[in-house]
Amino acid sequence: DTGVSQDPRHKITKRGQNVTFRCDPISEHNRLYWYRQTLGQGPEFLTYFQNEAQLEKSRLLSDRFSAERPKGSFSTLEIQRTEQGDSAMYLCASSFTKTSGRATYNEQFFGPGTRLTVL
Amino acid sequence: AQSVAQPEDQVNVAEGNPLTVKCTYSVSGNPYLFWYVQYPNRGLQFLLKYITGDNLVKGSYGFEAEFNKSQTSFHLKKPSALVSDSALYFCAVTPWGNNRLAFGKGNQVVVIP
Repeated sequence: DTGVSQDPRHKITKRGQNVTFRCDPISEHNRLYWYRQTLGQGPEFLTYFQNEAQLEKSRLLSDRFSAERPKGSFSTLEIQRTEQGDSAMYLCASSFTKTSGRATYNEQFFGPGTRLTVL
Repeated sequence: AQSVAQPEDQVNVAEGNPLTVKCTYSVSGNPYLFWYVQYPNRGLQFLLKYITGDNLVKGSYGFEAEFNKSQTSFHLKKPSALVSDSALYFCAVTPWGNNRLAFGKGNQVVVIP
């Protein structure tokens, strides 16, 4: 399978615990995105990387959230001191965007998501 | 900030009939527009996009969408719906040069056999 993969698919944790999610993008994609989706809503942007650089963060990404993409390949999203309001589906997406010459914009391909439940 | 409105919570259509899912958007400058579909327990799947050029865009599984700049709309259409088209459909927008997609709340499509 050459699509975007996420691990774990489901995570149940107790309030106050730390959790970490992993995303493996499509191999040739240089951009990686994190979104959060709650029940009955569309995904909300959290942050994105171009290669290993984190270029944009949403105000939704509180200081308890941190994301990394250390080698420009896979990414991790960590939530510290989880709260019940963090319960959601966390989606990862990747895309390839040409940044030299005439810029292009290609669609984002999404992984299956990690469903987080905070008790 | 960009935003998307999908005014109907659920769209019911009989199998074989035309399907339309409505989307209007708000963005500063020119938009990139997308439609995604989400099946239960699966990630979002890309259907089609409008970047520039022809206002009528054709995508996967027989879907198409029409970009209307004056009405700021990007409605999704399929001439003949299948039961397998029953799913949650999301419209998304981002302005040129941006990278964050803004999604609507989604429309549940139910195709009745």
